[in-house]
Amino acid sequence: DAEITQSPRHKITETGRQVTLACHQTWNHNNMFWYRQDLGHGLRLIHYSYGVHDTNKGEVSDGYSVSRSNTEDLPLTLESAASSQTSVYFCASSESKETQYFGPGTRLLVL
Amino acid sequence: AQRVTQPEKLLSVFKGAPVELKCNYSYSGSPELFWYVQYSRQRLQLLLRHISRESIKGFTADLNKGETSFHLKKPFAQEEDSAMYYCALMANRDDKIIFGKGTRLHILP
Repeated sequence: DAEITQSPRHKITETGRQVTLACHQTWNHNNMFWYRQDLGHGLRLIHYSYGVHDTNKGEVSDGYSVSRSNTEDLPLTLESAASSQTSVYFCASSESKETQYFGPGTRLLVL
Repeated sequence: AQRVTQPEKLLSVFKGAPVELKCNYSYSGSPELFWYVQYSRQRLQLLLRHISRESIKGFTADLNKGETSFHLKKPFAQEEDSAMYYCALMANRDDKIIFGKGTRLHILP
């Protein structure tokens, strides 16, 4: 069955380290999104991509980057992790004008 | 500017009582509206979208363009309805979805 996966599911890192969160989907969707989920803020869009080699900044993109070298993957990189980036991160994918399908989430703790 | 407002952070309802989760939006064009649900420690999943006009798990939502609202309703709450509910809007010019801050629904026994 087609699906969307994220790894790792849990990550503890130290301030200043570079961290990469993986997102992989097997639906062959063109659109992929990264969100962070925080109490009191709901889901906020970090970066998104509408296809290979396309990337766009979302609402809270500072300190994050993405690259899209193929259809299936959109890794999210925290260049220099900060405590404010402690959060739950969700990846999602969709076809044009269709609903988004979400991954299981990654819990990141930055100490 | 596009905005989705869910005025209640927490809504507690007794089992068997009616449920209404409020959602208001701000968008100048013709938006597409969704409700997503997140059960404890699970991923977000689509509950319903306004163009489908479906009833999922007993929930319905009607788009009211005059009041710019898309409230989620269920006539009789069940304990398994306890979850986080997000109202969301997709603009007609791109595929981004704007989420509200969510309402936690707690069904009391």
